[in-house]
Amino acid sequence: DAGVTQSPTHLIKTRGQQVTLRCSPKSGHDTVSWYQQALGQGPQFIFQYYEEEERQRGNFPDRFSGHQFPNYSSELNVNALLLGDSALYLCASSFGDARGGYGYTFGSGTRLTVV
Amino acid sequence: AQSVTQLGSHVSVSEGALVLLRCNYSSSVPPYLFWYVQYPNQGLQLLLKYTSAATLVKGINGFEAEFKKSETSFHLTKPSAHMSDAAEYFCAVLTQGGSEKLVFGKGTKLTVNP
Repeated sequence: DAGVTQSPTHLIKTRGQQVTLRCSPKSGHDTVSWYQQALGQGPQFIFQYYEEEERQRGNFPDRFSGHQFPNYSSELNVNALLLGDSALYLCASSFGDARGGYGYTFGSGTRLTVV
Repeated sequence: AQSVTQLGSHVSVSEGALVLLRCNYSSSVPPYLFWYVQYPNQGLQLLLKYTSAATLVKGINGFEAEFKKSETSFHLTKPSAHMSDAAEYFCAVLTQGGSEKLVFGKGTKLTVNP
């Protein structure tokens, strides 16, 4: 059973460019959340998608946007890249109520470096 | 707002020694708490979770954590450290009220010395 798949694994971009990161959730999961993990920090919540809509959002600027497709896969887009956007971007998928014990499954992440 | 604080950004133990990683939470409602482990260049793997059932929670790889409401703590322990336990550990709380999301601590890097 495939877990959460993220692509690409590594990416180098130049300041001002735009980037798209992709995530395929675990089979049977319908909700996708994105997290940014800067070096030496804990993951920070960016946003969550459910039924192809952004359900909630963390404290990130509008340069960060996303999309969820009918097959539940998701994209994270970042425009006008800044050096500070360099981080590991983690995708987590879930189904139903996480408090019920289903929990979150994380992918291995995409390492974005902005130069 | 719910949050967690991890005490100690770095912990170093000898192989075979007790591992104790500290986490305190802040929540106005009964919290749902998690411990995750992250190995270098990898994503997060769930070690264990507390969902208001038993206060002593057993996880994978010999780890366990005890929920103590009076101390607002959820410390992670393992009786005997193994070299393969060297990694970064994150405590997290699940926000409640409307949509859910995980709020993480800043992490504790565990080093195991031979």
